[in-house]
Amino acid sequence: DAGVTQSPTHLIKTRGQHVTLRCSPISGHKSVSWYQQVLGQGPQFIFQYYEKEERGRGNFPDRFSARQFPNYSSELNVNALLLGDSALYLCASSPMRQGGPDTQYFGPGTRLTVL
Amino acid sequence: GNSVTQMEGPVTLSEEAFLTINCTYTATGYPSLFWYVQYPGEGLQLLLKATKADDKGSNKGFEATYRKETTSFHLEKGSVQVSDSAVYFCALRRNGQGGSEKLVFGKGTKLTVNP
Repeated sequence: DAGVTQSPTHLIKTRGQHVTLRCSPISGHKSVSWYQQVLGQGPQFIFQYYEKEERGRGNFPDRFSARQFPNYSSELNVNALLLGDSALYLCASSPMRQGGPDTQYFGPGTRLTVL
Repeated sequence: GNSVTQMEGPVTLSEEAFLTINCTYTATGYPSLFWYVQYPGEGLQLLLKATKADDKGSNKGFEATYRKETTSFHLEKGSVQVSDSAVYFCALRRNGQGGSEKLVFGKGTKLTVNP
């Protein structure tokens, strides 16, 4: 079975630009979460979506937004990019059986560099 | 708030040595606990988990026991291999938070195993 897939693999942007990152969950998984991993640190939670609704939000500015589509894939959008947004962005999916928290499985990530 | 503290790295061992990576946590209630591993240039892979006190998670020779009395979840392996070289992350998920799957990660411990 295919795992979580993310696109693009790498991305280079300049300050002030906008970026969209994409994630496809494991087949049958209904929940998608996004994390930011700055070099040398552990991942930080950004958003969780379940059945197209936001289920959780981390401590990130409003420049960060996300959505989930009917096929459970998801997009993370970041506006007005700052140098500090350079990081590995990880997507994780879970089945959320019975609507409750479940084990998350991570994709390979998108490496974003802001110049 | 909820937090995870891991032992400072990097850790360098010879092949077949015994491994311990310490992890302690602070959380309200009774969280679920996880160890994830990240190989160079890749996303995170779930290594093992435990959902309640005294549970032991195990996988690929790695073990960790959920100790409520010491709020710890130390990772151990009896005989490491060169292929175990990676960054290891301890994480918690606080249960009963409205169905959120938010994971809180430690900073990671880099392990290098030499032949």
